[in-house]
Amino acid sequence: GAGVSQSPRYKVAKRGQDVALRCDPISGHVSLFWYQQALGQGPEFLTYFQNEAQLDKSGLPSDRFFAERPEGSVSTLKIQRTQQEDSAVYLCASSTWDRYTDTQYFGPGTRLTVL
Amino acid sequence: KQEVTQIPAALSVPEGENLVLNCSFTDSAIYNLQWFRQDPGKGLTSLLLIQSSQREQTSGRLNASLDKSSGRSTLYIAASQPGDSATYLCAVSPSGSARQLTFGSGTQLTVLP
Repeated sequence: GAGVSQSPRYKVAKRGQDVALRCDPISGHVSLFWYQQALGQGPEFLTYFQNEAQLDKSGLPSDRFFAERPEGSVSTLKIQRTQQEDSAVYLCASSTWDRYTDTQYFGPGTRLTVL
Repeated sequence: KQEVTQIPAALSVPEGENLVLNCSFTDSAIYNLQWFRQDPGKGLTSLLLIQSSQREQTSGRLNASLDKSSGRSTLYIAASQPGDSATYLCAVSPSGSARQLTFGSGTQLTVLP
């Protein structure tokens, strides 16, 4: 595929359940970002990978949030013991290593609803 | 901490009008500024990217300006069309090694036919 893909597109979880959200970046993109977007707000940064290395996880809201990218390609964002305040759209973005020209290319997002 | 503000939060205009969307940021130590478009249920599409050393960028009917010292950017849309209806988001990338974008809350634009 030409763009960033995310799955599932929609996820409904009961409070306390664990969820896993997947991101497939554009082939060859070494940088991968996760953002959280609440309704009516702009996206907020969660974490950033350069290849398989997680270089910044300062935006993760709690230790219930965990992200990995073991082979430097596909990434998974895991949320343990989901809470209602975790309801949001989770966006993944990827970019090349060239910061001067880099535009982050965003996927369609996963809409998580916690009941 | 960088904060990005967008005004207005919502805007409704008749087709054909020229319009300006505003973005302000609190920390002028930025690497670049981008304008994105977001359609309902979809991801973000990059419209224009302005490096910190640049003053403006143009693409078709869109023109974005950057005044880094005053912490402001504007997105000018000429001859608006109903297909321009979307949410427009401004985002800044920090100088230094950090790569994450800080976004404003967006301006929801409706262009009426």
